[in-house]
Amino acid sequence: KAGVTQTPRYLIKTRGQQVTLSCSPISGHRSVSWYQQTPGQGLQFLFEYFSETQRNKGNFPGRFSGRQFSNSRSEMNVSTLELGDSALYLCASSLYGTSGSFSDTQYFGPGTRLTVL
Amino acid sequence: GNSVTQMEGPVTLSEEAFLTINCTYTATGYPSLFWYVQYPGEGLQLLLKATKADDKGSNKGFEATYRKETTSFHLEKGSVQVSDSAVYFCALTSANQAGTALIFGKGTTLSVSS
Repeated sequence: KAGVTQTPRYLIKTRGQQVTLSCSPISGHRSVSWYQQTPGQGLQFLFEYFSETQRNKGNFPGRFSGRQFSNSRSEMNVSTLELGDSALYLCASSLYGTSGSFSDTQYFGPGTRLTVL
Repeated sequence: GNSVTQMEGPVTLSEEAFLTINCTYTATGYPSLFWYVQYPGEGLQLLLKATKADDKGSNKGFEATYRKETTSFHLEKGSVQVSDSAVYFCALTSANQAGTALIFGKGTTLSVSS
């Protein structure tokens, strides 16, 4: 079974631009979560989508948004890029995600490394 | 709030040495606990997990036991290899964390030399 794929793997943008990252989950998985990884802040949860609905959201500004399609593929968008948005963005998929008392194992993709100049 | 604290790295060991990476957590309710590993240039891979107190997760020679009394989930391996060099992350989810997902520790870098 193919793993989680993310495109593109590397991206260079300038301040003020916007960017869209894509994630294809493992076949059959309905939950997709996004994380930001930086040397200073470590791994931080951005949001989770399940069946095309945002179920959970981390503590990030509104410039960060996402969506999920009917085939479970997900995209995240960052508008008005800032230097501090430079990071590795990781996508993770699972069958049911994390909600309430249920915690499902998440499988991560290789990430998209975004550099903002 | 819920949090995970890992020992500071880097940890430098010789091949075949014993490894311990400490992880303690703060959480309400009954969290599930995970260890993830990240090799250079790659995403995170699930190494092992435990979902209730006294459970032992194990994989590829690594082990960790869920200790509720000490709120710990220390990672151990009896004999490390050069190929184990990576960054290790302890993480948790909790039934009381409505609206949140995995919470990670800062990560511990392991370097194994031959």
